[in-house]
This record gives sequence, structure tokens and C-alpha cells, in this order.
Amino acid sequence: TQLLEQSPQFLSIQEGENLTVYCNSSSVFSSLQWYRQEPGEGPVLLVTVVTGGEVKKLKRLTFQFGDARKDSSLHITAAQPGDTGLYLCAGSNNNDMRFGAGTRLTVKP
Amino acid sequence: DTAVSQTPKYLVTQMGNDKSIKCEQNLGHDTMYWYKQDSKKFLKIMFSYNNKELIINETVPNRFSPKSPDKAHLNLHINSLELGDSAVYFCASSPGLAGAVEQFFGPGTRLTVL
Repeated sequence: TQLLEQSPQFLSIQEGENLTVYCNSSSVFSSLQWYRQEPGEGPVLLVTVVTGGEVKKLKRLTFQFGDARKDSSLHITAAQPGDTGLYLCAGSNNNDMRFGAGTRLTVKP
Repeated sequence: DTAVSQTPKYLVTQMGNDKSIKCEQNLGHDTMYWYKQDSKKFLKIMFSYNNKELIINETVPNRFSPKSPDKAHLNLHINSLELGDSAVYFCASSPGLAGAVEQFFGPGTRLTVL
């Protein structure tokens, strides 16, 4: 049983489309992070959210932490082929971090 | 300069062998981790060390033994390798214990057990 459920598991879209991926849990987290992993490399941090309801923007990426701090979403506007990768969410409590299984995004030119 | 480095990048070995993976970070971080990523890309923490002391030890077979000779190094030794050990192993480091701090990952070691 995974603590963090990510959906969809796979997503393939055309360049220019918008998309949203989700990270859900029944547990409350003190903070939540989103990482992107490209093939053959380790994950790289995109953002950390710590306050319920918090919204952070990183260029075309918008991250939201749920009010109850149990879930999060990542919205990408006008996706580009360079956005292709595995998007992982990770929730933390008491110095313990757990990763979701990830959403594998493919953006076709 | 590579922040978190792992060697080797690829490791192919026979069942029953013993192997080690080395990890070094030059970021001055206090905390280091080992993760296992399986074929479904699920990233699962195995161990974490803070200032050379074991903090997290998940339900990992005791064939896996981490060793931290100093804060900058966390090596992973695996005894009696099994087919199910095949995966990509990532080392990571962070400036403090996991939480709202960023973890910096190495490039991974792809272990294949034949």
C-alpha cells in the first residue's frame, strides 16, 4: 500500500496542451515536494509547499497544496517536449519522506 | 563539479555475489540516503544517515548494509545478491533531516542480477 497515490500513472499529450497531475493521500503532511526525473538521472526538486492552500508558480508550472495538506496538484500550461519526464511527489512528516509512484508525462512535438 | 556522485553507474553480476556501491557528496550536507527504484519507477527509501548515524532503516533485508565512514560518504554493501535486487539505486543528500529540505540525488546505479 502506497502512502501517496499519483494519477494518472501515464499521460501522453501534444505540445501546447494543458495538463494536471495529482498526488493524493489519506495522511496529513507537514510539507510536500514535487520532483522531476529524466531518464538515466536522479530526481530534481521543482518545488516545496508547506502551507495548506498554498499555490506556487514556476514559469508554466503551478503547484497547489490542498487545504488539509493531504493532497497536491501540478498544472502545466502549454506543455513543451522539454517537460517530458517522471513527476514524483514526496510527502514529509517528522523527518520521514515518502515518494509516490510518479506520473510519466510524454509531450509530443 | 558533481554534487552527489555514485560508482559504478552500471553493475551486472551473478546471483549470490557480494557487491558494493559507493556514494560521495561534496555539498557539505549532514544527511545522506539510499533509495531503491524498481522497474515501475517506485522510489522507496532504504536508509538515511545523519552525521554518520543511522536514522531511518526501512524493512530492508539484512543482506543490505550501509556504511558511512564520514559525513560525505555513504556506501551500500549487498551480500548474497538475489534476482529481486535488480533495480536502480539512488544516493541522495540533504542539508538536514528530510522535511521541507531539498534532497539532491546522484545519477543512480543500475544493478542487474543475473
